[in-house]
Amino acid sequence: EPEVTQTPSHQVTQMGQEVILRCVPISNHLYFYWYRQILGQKVEFLVSFYNNEISEKSEIFDDQFSVERPDGSNFTLKIRSTKLEDSAMYFCASSVGTSSSYNEQFFGPGTRLTVL
Amino acid sequence: AQKVTQAQTEISVVEKEDVTLDCVYETRDTTYYLFWYKQPPSGELVFLIRRNSFDEQNEISGRYSWNFQKSTSSFNFTITASQVVDSAVYFCALSEVSGGGADGLTFGKGTHLIIQP
Repeated sequence: EPEVTQTPSHQVTQMGQEVILRCVPISNHLYFYWYRQILGQKVEFLVSFYNNEISEKSEIFDDQFSVERPDGSNFTLKIRSTKLEDSAMYFCASSVGTSSSYNEQFFGPGTRLTVL
Repeated sequence: AQKVTQAQTEISVVEKEDVTLDCVYETRDTTYYLFWYKQPPSGELVFLIRRNSFDEQNEISGRYSWNFQKSTSSFNFTITASQVVDSAVYFCALSEVSGGGADGLTFGKGTHLIIQP
């Protein structure tokens, strides 16, 4: 069964460094998303992406964050200058976008980001 | 603004008991979608169900059932004859419909379900 994949599974970085988290959405899906989950807390929406542009973003998604679909398969989240509070599990998700499966989002296994 | 409340932080039951996880939501929209996700100890988020606001029929899938009541803004999840493998954190989520199809989900804080053998 097709699934969303994410790399790396765990990323450790120093405060102030740039990180890029990578995702490969399910191949026929058209909508892509990033969420984060700080340890022990709820999952929070960051951004959605469709047709090569941001569709919706939350207040969390400030100028430090950017997303890109550099080729036909990858979907990336970049954090320009990491802060301690960026430490979290980052989930990528995708949805096919048909009316019968509207917004049915399938999540990847997550990347645990640790900022030291 | 939309909001999802899962008042039960943690529930512990003995295997084979039935258990209901509560979810109450708030939204100003008349068209919206409700979801349940399971997060086992391994950490991934597993999609369980999606419901649109116009479909109030209860749904049953094996040991799982969902009760959607617009009158009380609730979308509760029941596991019948619980098993140890059901132990996980369960999240209820809501998305409003912007028309663009890429709507972010608003999650509740989750209910940690512990099934004891």
